[in-house]
Amino acid sequence: EAQVTQNPRYLITVTGKKLTVTCSQNMNHEYMSWYRQDPGLGLRQIYYSMNVEVTDKGDVPEGYKVSRKEKRNFPLILESPSPNQTSLYFCASSSRTSVSYEQYFGPGTRLTVT
Amino acid sequence: AQSVTQPDIHITVSEGASLELRCNYSYGATPYLFWYVQSPGQGLQLLLKYFSGDTLVQGIKGFEAEFKRSQSSFNLRKPSVHWSDAAEYFCAVGSPYSGYALNFGKGTSLLVTP
Repeated sequence: EAQVTQNPRYLITVTGKKLTVTCSQNMNHEYMSWYRQDPGLGLRQIYYSMNVEVTDKGDVPEGYKVSRKEKRNFPLILESPSPNQTSLYFCASSSRTSVSYEQYFGPGTRLTVT
Repeated sequence: AQSVTQPDIHITVSEGASLELRCNYSYGATPYLFWYVQSPGQGLQLLLKYFSGDTLVQGIKGFEAEFKRSQSSFNLRKPSVHWSDAAEYFCAVGSPYSGYALNFGKGTSLLVTP
């Protein structure tokens, strides 16, 4: 089954404790991206990647890092989380060979930073 | 830079009435436009998309949207709303230059009354 998986699905952590949210897709997609969703603000782009070792900042990259060492994985790293990073996070993937340019979204990770 | 505006934060309609959700985009080239729906506590579901061809696109659940380049709009419509349509609706625009990573509007919350 074609899918994007994220782990963990729920996470409560404390300020300053480094964490990684993993994202993996099994569709051999070149493109992957991360979003955060906050009430009243919709979804905002954090980082995107157009291929292995190619990443770029989205609209709200501050406080986040990403890496793309393998095509299928695109982890989101919070090196020193702060309470304003409490949010719902979505990973997505798509392919330049897809005729529909559709983004496939993961189920989301709800992060709480206390 | 691309952006999306959804002018209506909340909309209330009676069950059986028609629905139109507004979306205006800003993008220099031919946009890749999407509408997503999110039910409470759920992930994102793609309703429909436009990237070329017929400007009236049909989606799932009886939704349709019309691309109007002259008005930079991509409004979502449904002729008869069902109570199960109550949800948050997001319009989004993507670009091949950013791996089709999406810029979302802030969303429109739809309430359906009996």
